[in-house]
Amino acid sequence: NAGVTQTPKFQVLKTGQSMTLQCAQDMNHEYMSWYRQDPGMGLRLIHYSVGAGITDQGEVPNGYNVSRSTTEDFPLRLLSAAPSQTSVYFCASSREREETQYFGPGTRLLVL
Amino acid sequence: EDQVTQSPEALRLQEGESSSLNCSYTVSGLRGLFWYRQDPGKGPEFLFTLYSAGEEKEKERLKATLTKKESFLHITAPKPEDSATYLCAVQSVFFGAGNNRKLIWGLGTSLAVNP
Repeated sequence: NAGVTQTPKFQVLKTGQSMTLQCAQDMNHEYMSWYRQDPGMGLRLIHYSVGAGITDQGEVPNGYNVSRSTTEDFPLRLLSAAPSQTSVYFCASSREREETQYFGPGTRLLVL
Repeated sequence: EDQVTQSPEALRLQEGESSSLNCSYTVSGLRGLFWYRQDPGKGPEFLFTLYSAGEEKEKERLKATLTKKESFLHITAPKPEDSATYLCAVQSVFFGAGNNRKLIWGLGTSLAVNP
């Protein structure tokens, strides 16, 4: 039981490049979410999903897209990377929307 | 405005020296308060959920308590392996972005326990 996994662990992008951050969970959780963590800002919700085929925006969705084609996977796409998207990104999952969340190890992203 | 403030920002203890971390909150209707532990370079790891004033939960050397304005995370006789950042998050009964109840995260207390 791997829990929540994220790839890559670290990525450097140039401004304007696109990429996908991968997230997978093997706990059959319906609810998955993406956060970013920045110094002095705390964790902020980007997008979330309450089940396969259903996604919604969080507090800071601009510049990011998500999709949920399976229960297990919830990728986060950066459409055109900007330096302001330099951050640590965490994926989390839980059985239901408001239950305890289990976090992945994070992806550290640097946009030059 | 809904807000979560954790103090102190950083705390250094000697092994065995007990202390408390504080999480004070202002929220329009508390649904739950969460404590997480975060090790460097890793994701937050769930510790406790508290739902009502007076509630207490314990796990090994950690004990979390809740009042109407704040929560304390008491660490008894800490060991070096307790060194981490401890995060507090408060969930409102009201909805924020999308159809999610608002979850407001504090900035954390960085705890270092020296042997």
